[in-house]
Amino acid sequence: DQQVKQNSPSLSVQEGRISILNCDYTNSMFDYFLWYKKYPAEGPTFLISISSIKDKNEDGRFTVFLNKSAKHLSLHIVPSQPGDSAVYFCAAVNDYKLSFGAGTTVTVRA
Amino acid sequence: DAGITQSPRHKVTETGTPVTLRCHQTENHRYMYWYRQDPGHGLRLIHYSYGVKDTDKGEVSDGYSVSRSKTEDFLLTLESATSSQTSVYFCAITATSGSPHEQFFGPGTRLTVL
Repeated sequence: DQQVKQNSPSLSVQEGRISILNCDYTNSMFDYFLWYKKYPAEGPTFLISISSIKDKNEDGRFTVFLNKSAKHLSLHIVPSQPGDSAVYFCAAVNDYKLSFGAGTTVTVRA
Repeated sequence: DAGITQSPRHKVTETGTPVTLRCHQTENHRYMYWYRQDPGHGLRLIHYSYGVKDTDKGEVSDGYSVSRSKTEDFLLTLESATSSQTSVYFCAITATSGSPHEQFFGPGTRLTVL
C-alpha cells in the first residue's frame, strides 16, 4: 500500500517556463516532506523540504507548497532549465523513516 | 559530498547465492538506511540502523538481513539471492546540517540476479 503517490510519471516543459510536480499522501502521521532529484546512475540528491506546520517553503527557483487538508504537496520550478531534466521523487517522513513516491521524470525542452 | 560510499557498484550473481553489499560513511552518523529502487515503486526502505548493533525492518525486508558492527559500516546481505532482488540498492545517512530529516544517498549498487 503506497502511502505517497506521484500520479504523473512524466512531465515535459519548455525551457524558461514553470514546472509543477504533484504528490499526494495518505498517512496523516507524516511530519516532514522532501523533494529529491535524481540523475541516471547517481544517488538521489536533496532539493527542498517543508515541515507539516508550514504551507510554503522557497529556495531560489524551487518552491514547495503543502495543503494538509488535501494531503497534497507540489513542487514548482521557475524558470525551468535544461539541467533540471531528471527524475524527481517526493518523500514523506515519519519517525526517521522516509516513504517515497514512484517519481516523475521531467524533460526540459530547449 | 556526504562521505558515503557503496561497494561493489555493480554485481551479477546467480540465483541461490549469498550476496553482501557494503555501505561506508565517514560522517559518524547514527542513522543509516538501505533502500531498493525499482521502476514504478520509487525507493523502498529495506532496513535501517539507529546505532551500532541497533537495526530494524523497513517495508520490504523479507529476504534481506543487515549488520552494523561499527558506526561507519552498514552491511546488507541477501542470504539466497532471487531474481526478484534484481534492483538498484542505495544506502543513505542522515544529514548533519539543514533539515534533520534530510538523507544523503550513496551512488548505488546495481545488482543483477540471473
